[in-house]
Amino acid sequence: QKEVEQDPGPLSVPEGAIVSLNCTYSNSAFQYFMWYRQYSRKGPELLMYTYSSGNKEDGRFTAQVDKSSKYISLFIRDSQPSDSATYLCAMIGGSNYKLTFGKGTLLTVNP
Amino acid sequence: SQTIHQWPATLVQPVGSPLSLECTVEGTSNPNLYWYRQAAGRGLQLLFYSVGIGQISSEVPQNLSASRPQDRQFILSSKKLLLSDSGFYLCAWTTGVYYGYTFGSGTRLTVV
Repeated sequence: QKEVEQDPGPLSVPEGAIVSLNCTYSNSAFQYFMWYRQYSRKGPELLMYTYSSGNKEDGRFTAQVDKSSKYISLFIRDSQPSDSATYLCAMIGGSNYKLTFGKGTLLTVNP
Repeated sequence: SQTIHQWPATLVQPVGSPLSLECTVEGTSNPNLYWYRQAAGRGLQLLFYSVGIGQISSEVPQNLSASRPQDRQFILSSKKLLLSDSGFYLCAWTTGVYYGYTFGSGTRLTVV
């Protein structure tokens, strides 16, 4: 079993839709959770960062963490064509000081 | 403010040729530095990381090597490139891993 599982998609939605992106993990030591957005041919950029279970909101983006289920989500409200990118989850914890990434989900928002 | 520079943006190299990719960080001291490779459908693969000058840890045995000659400089090298070395190479840094990494803009390497 891989430490982090992420559905690669691709996911295609119409503009204005609510998007849900998800990752599951197996390592109970993970404590810090991040979402990165990567546009084509660019480096990933940090989008959201969370620590505790629950929700964290930033504009149209909401990051959700459920440590009991080892499940994290990123919700995008009122999705825009500019949100079209690959979204990667990442996490870290315990004695390992390296981020573990999911493989990324390719999202396309159609105008 | 902190910035990370990575160059070149694209590179086409013949098989068997040497490689040198450079990454520099500005505006911070003693960062942790990382080299990743991203291949289509395979996600981000950690190649090397460094927690200080001259300290390099290798994650994957391969045709590549890394060096950190200065605090904010990280270099990825190869003596002889293979076709399988093609990919998108990303440098990243952090001073506190629990707050995530900051990535450079990447180098797209094509070995022909």
